[in-house]
Amino acid sequence: DAGITQSPRHKVTETGTPVTLRCHQTENHRYMYWYRQDPGHGLRLIHYSYGVKDTDKGEVSDGYSVSRSKTEDFLLTLESATSSQTSVYFCAISNLGGENEKLFFGSGTQLSVL
Amino acid sequence: KQEVTQIPAALSVPEGENLVLNCSFTDSAIYNLQWFRQDPGKGLTSLLLIQSSQREQTSGRLNASLDKSSGRSTLYIAASQPGDSATYLCAAIKAAGNKLTFGGGTRVLVKP
Repeated sequence: DAGITQSPRHKVTETGTPVTLRCHQTENHRYMYWYRQDPGHGLRLIHYSYGVKDTDKGEVSDGYSVSRSKTEDFLLTLESATSSQTSVYFCAISNLGGENEKLFFGSGTQLSVL
Repeated sequence: KQEVTQIPAALSVPEGENLVLNCSFTDSAIYNLQWFRQDPGKGLTSLLLIQSSQREQTSGRLNASLDKSSGRSTLYIAASQPGDSATYLCAAIKAAGNKLTFGGGTRVLVKP
């Protein structure tokens, strides 16, 4: 999967607890993204990063925060998990964000908030 | 706001038949359009990318066309095989940085 590792692969947690998902890449790509995938909504962008310590919000960023202290790692944090955040979370990477550049996706993290 | 639609949501064909998958988008000012494949429980695999200045891209049995003026892209899969069974998603990108807007996907079943 293009050198992208998401951890954990599966997580079950309780409402109100903090959760951090990790995306690690070995491609030295500049851009990293977090998406969530839900039935009926497809994939939606949560946050993305265009460099170390440079991040921006996507269309569904409420309740999520991100950090990128190193090129290879992009962390997604749910400060206080809610049942509506039960979803499959995908990390994606892109090198320079150019017009002819494909996105590469990780295998996903299945998160269940009870 | 860009909206991307894929119709139908599901498609079933016998093996050997050609597949035609549709994708429509509301904002023609796209940077590029990508087609992805997703197998159950897996991540997305990029299949084809069409730049805004291009009309089509081909890879093996796959061919994708792009018509910006009508807001449409079509993915053709020739001589379908059971191994082509998966969900196919299209995604449009408006600007540099690859912030994709995805369609809901078409779930394809190729019956032997």
